[in-house]
Amino acid sequence: KAGVTQTPRYLIKTRGQQVTLSCSPISGHRSVSWYQQTPGQGLQFLFEYFSETQRNKGNFPGRFSGRQFSNSRSEMNVSTLELGDSALYLCASSFRSSEGADGYTFGSGTRLTVV
Amino acid sequence: AQSVSQHNHHVILSEAASLELGCNYSYGGTVNLFWYVQYPGQHLQLLLKYFSGDPLVKGIKGFEAEFIKSKFSFNLRKPSVQWSDTAEYFCAVNAPRNKLIFGAGTRLAVHP
Repeated sequence: KAGVTQTPRYLIKTRGQQVTLSCSPISGHRSVSWYQQTPGQGLQFLFEYFSETQRNKGNFPGRFSGRQFSNSRSEMNVSTLELGDSALYLCASSFRSSEGADGYTFGSGTRLTVV
Repeated sequence: AQSVSQHNHHVILSEAASLELGCNYSYGGTVNLFWYVQYPGQHLQLLLKYFSGDPLVKGIKGFEAEFIKSKFSFNLRKPSVQWSDTAEYFCAVNAPRNKLIFGAGTRLAVHP
């Protein structure tokens, strides 16, 4: 089955602009999580959506937002971009195992550069 | 709140050496545990996971990890590393239906 697909792979934006990133999960997965990866801060959790509802949220400012559609595809939006938003943004698709736990498959990420 | 600590930020080994990467977490309840690997320029890949049952978990590429509940640890091991194991390794933890939290990562460099 197809993996987690993130688009676009690379983006260059100017400070103050906004950006929208897209994630298509593995077919049948209903949960999508977003992470920001930077050399200094590592992998930081942004938010998680399950069946179109935000289930968990990390400690990021309100400029970071997301949503999930009925087909489980998710988008995240960053408004008023700052230089510090330059990062690799990762999406993870999760399922529900027989133990009732979550497993996560990651996409290749979107590399955002803010200039 | 959950947190994950990886003891070594950088590890340098020669081929055929044994590897053990430490991971400790803080959370009092039931947890799911993961090790992910990120090869240079590639995306995160799942090495192994522990949900329940046998605390010794075997993963891909000869890796294994042992869950020791009393020590809140989930250390990753490999008896003999190869140059191709050069990568960054991340330990991650989540409580069921909760967010997945990552450690800071350990960069492993294996010299031929």
